[in-house]
Amino acid sequence: AQKITQTQPGMFVQEKEAVTLDCTYDTSDQSYGLFWYKQPSSGEMIFLIYQGSYDEQNATEGRYSLNFQKARKSANLVISASQLGDSAMYFCAMREGLGGLGYQKVTFGTGTKLQVIP
Amino acid sequence: DVKVTQSSRYLVKRTGEKVFLECVQDMDHENMFWYRQDPGLGLRLIYFSYDVKMKEKGDIPEGYSVSREKKERFSLILESASTNQTSMYLCASSVRWGAKNIQYFGAGTRLSVL
Repeated sequence: AQKITQTQPGMFVQEKEAVTLDCTYDTSDQSYGLFWYKQPSSGEMIFLIYQGSYDEQNATEGRYSLNFQKARKSANLVISASQLGDSAMYFCAMREGLGGLGYQKVTFGTGTKLQVIP
Repeated sequence: DVKVTQSSRYLVKRTGEKVFLECVQDMDHENMFWYRQDPGLGLRLIYFSYDVKMKEKGDIPEGYSVSREKKERFSLILESASTNQTSMYLCASSVRWGAKNIQYFGAGTRLSVL
């Protein structure tokens, strides 16, 4: 089974509108972390936001927020007031477990390509 | 700012050549990673290193090896390049411990094997 599932290969959003990028995950660990990264066409992966499995509040970073629904195992990224510069690939990722070498590894989803329309 | 630098943005090699991809980080991070990115497959971990001279296989290590002689430098080696290794290669680094433990990435190397 896929550990990270992003079901939207591509999405369009009008400039200044909000958009939600979906991410579901699969883990049997109680302790894990969820990440979102942005990859512009230049290629570099840029860290956006992090949510720990024990965090009670949804993470927010500026225009980015993470809608964390633990029981449903979903960690959707919400981008408010979209800008043309938000056009990029977005990857959801997860780290599982506590400690040990396995804890250092992160599993990535297949990504969602977001295009912002003027 | 954290900086992860990959030596080449674009590389074209011939089948059978030995290929070295170099990555340097300036944040004194213990962990370094090599990923391969292909359309529709996301990022897949090839190898990672948690200390100098230490390495662990990732999900797709076949056909690759790595070297970490200094803490700041992590090299990916294709012993005999094949066309199915044409891909985007991304290097990343992180601290070893910490709940958040963000991985910081380089700009990537687009490798074409002809």
